[in-house]
Amino acid sequence: DAKTTQPNSMESNEEEPVHLPCNHSTISGTDYIHWYRQLPSQGPEYVIHGLTSNVNNRMASLAIAEDRKSSTLILHRATLRDAAVYYCILREFNYGGSQGNLIFGKGTKLSVKP
Amino acid sequence: NAGVMQNPRHLVRRRGQEARLRCSPVKGHSHVYWYRQLPEEGLKFMVYLQKENIIDESGMPKERFSAEFPKEGPSILRIQQVVRGDSAAYFCASSVRGPRYNEQFFGPGTRLTVL
Repeated sequence: DAKTTQPNSMESNEEEPVHLPCNHSTISGTDYIHWYRQLPSQGPEYVIHGLTSNVNNRMASLAIAEDRKSSTLILHRATLRDAAVYYCILREFNYGGSQGNLIFGKGTKLSVKP
Repeated sequence: NAGVMQNPRHLVRRRGQEARLRCSPVKGHSHVYWYRQLPEEGLKFMVYLQKENIIDESGMPKERFSAEFPKEGPSILRIQQVVRGDSAAYFCASSVRGPRYNEQFFGPGTRLTVL
């Protein structure tokens, strides 16, 4: 799986949008972009994933650059509960692969101020 | 619909003792993954199991660590003769199908402290 680069930390104000960037310049054509987040003292939870087109779900939106070398996770209105470490992870789409692991980097620690 | 359950949530062991960590996947999930997280670090993959079979143990230390996922009952991560460096949070995740295109659901973790 290709490597991703994220800022170590970001700050946001409550009820404002947050844009969390991720660079993945070595992404391959079969890599999906996944985002997980880990709230304090909890296990990670899935947020969203995409391949080429922008994606929306109830938690967030994912904007993917046209060349796919970068992506941005968008939280439309940050709440205090969104304070967490956000991980951007590339997963190769491969029916035959036996490797199961997610490769977590250090992620971006998001702080939300009231 | 219960999520992934792990127990105990906290475990304290003295050096040389054994630690047994249990993980019950989401009902209907047959794929289980174990990860370890050291303080201030990201999660590191340890092992991937599918009912009664170890599929990928490339992240598992060669000695003292073992994992199983029996036909009946929870998955177990076993650490023999624990050392201080084993102190970490251990997370279990499960998925309904193969790992390459499925989200993984994580449990709350077991925090192991070795005295």
